[in-house]
Amino acid sequence: DAGVIQSPRHEVTEMGQEVTLRCKPISGHDYLFWYRQTMMRGLELLIYFNNNVPIDDSGMPEDRFSAKMPNASFSTLKIQPSEPRDSAVYFCASSSVFLAPRTDTQYFGPGTRLTVL
Amino acid sequence: SQKIEQNSEALNIQEGKTATLTCNYTNYSPAYLQWYRQDPGRGPVFLLLIRENEKEKRKERLKVTFDTTLKQSLFHITASQPADSATYLCALGSTDSWGKLQFGAGTQVVVTP
Repeated sequence: DAGVIQSPRHEVTEMGQEVTLRCKPISGHDYLFWYRQTMMRGLELLIYFNNNVPIDDSGMPEDRFSAKMPNASFSTLKIQPSEPRDSAVYFCASSSVFLAPRTDTQYFGPGTRLTVL
Repeated sequence: SQKIEQNSEALNIQEGKTATLTCNYTNYSPAYLQWYRQDPGRGPVFLLLIRENEKEKRKERLKVTFDTTLKQSLFHITASQPADSATYLCALGSTDSWGKLQFGAGTQVVVTP
């Protein structure tokens, strides 16, 4: 398996622009997570899905952030409008409840480094 | 509120020595604890898992202990090598929220030859 795939790897945009980050989880995994990582705040969980349904979005900073998972193999994280404080590395991760014994081990993608000028 | 604490200062260690990292938590009843490794520019990679009813787990040169009374996990890298230089994160999971992990901020380890 290719692992979790994220695109783009790097994104530079100007304040006010819309940004869309993409993620393809590992085939067969039923959980998908979006994280944001900064030096100041570490790794923060933004939202996670189970079987394409959002379970917990309490980590989403504000209404400018939205996430969708239209099918089991694709998810997007959108920021509109973007602000300089959104600059961070955004990770997508996936896991499977069907692994036995259950470990909830998460497999991370390479991340998208977002810079908002 | 739930809190996970890892040493914020980098751990500098000489090759061949044992590196010991600490993960402390409060207001949490984890069902298991995981350790991940993160290299610069990459996502975290799973290393080891230890469950609440286990005291110690080993994998090659890695050893993890879990003390639910002290609310602490120790992560040991024995016979450390420069290739072990990375940031190590602990993550806790509970039966209250299956699938979800809460990560610590991580501790950077630098192994010098």
